[in-house]
Amino acid sequence: SQQGEEDPQALSIQEGENATMNCSYKTSINNLQWYRQNSGRGLVHLILIRSNEREKHSGRLRVTLDTSKKSSSLLITASRAADTASYFCAPPLPKLVFGKGTKLTVNP
Amino acid sequence: GAGVSQSPRYKVAKRGQDVALRCDPISGHVSLFWYQQALGQGPEFLTYFQNEAQLDKSGLPSDRFFAERPEGSVSTLKIQRTQQEDSAVYLCASSRDGVRNTEAFFGQGTRLTVV
Repeated sequence: SQQGEEDPQALSIQEGENATMNCSYKTSINNLQWYRQNSGRGLVHLILIRSNEREKHSGRLRVTLDTSKKSSSLLITASRAADTASYFCAPPLPKLVFGKGTKLTVNP
Repeated sequence: GAGVSQSPRYKVAKRGQDVALRCDPISGHVSLFWYQQALGQGPEFLTYFQNEAQLDKSGLPSDRFFAERPEGSVSTLKIQRTQQEDSAVYLCASSRDGVRNTEAFFGQGTRLTVV
């Protein structure tokens, strides 16, 4: 299966701290995507990292990809209460399959 | 439209009733996906289409679930003889061309409650 598995399942931090979430997958991939889901809403695409990229930045987000370890990490720096959400990784299309996600709570 | 639109947003069905959930993808998007999300869980893949072709329906939980996209745009997920375990949020997503480096856009979902 191309499903990604996120770790930890839940993470609680204080506003201003950094949050790191990890994703592991089993098959070889050529890119990986991260999505965010706020409570009661649909998922929103955050960032896509290709297999020839080791690191990618987008605002306060930093994503790394280690194809040899079949893992990726998402770092959110200087977290805000609005970052409270569930975060999912997903191997590439055409079939988009998600794991259980990491539920991040940022306390004000 | 500006985004993926799902209707209805909320549906209450009596056990045994048939329901139909609609998804309007972003205009021109080739791929369309359906997911089922139980409370506190990640989205579970149900099925996906490229244009009107249903390429994978391995996630449909039973033969009571049926999805179609007859003209390659709007899609309908039909659940026959609903049961309580069908209660969940049903999410629809579309992507521009379904190739590996494109993102998917999600609708707000339909929350189905079977009583």
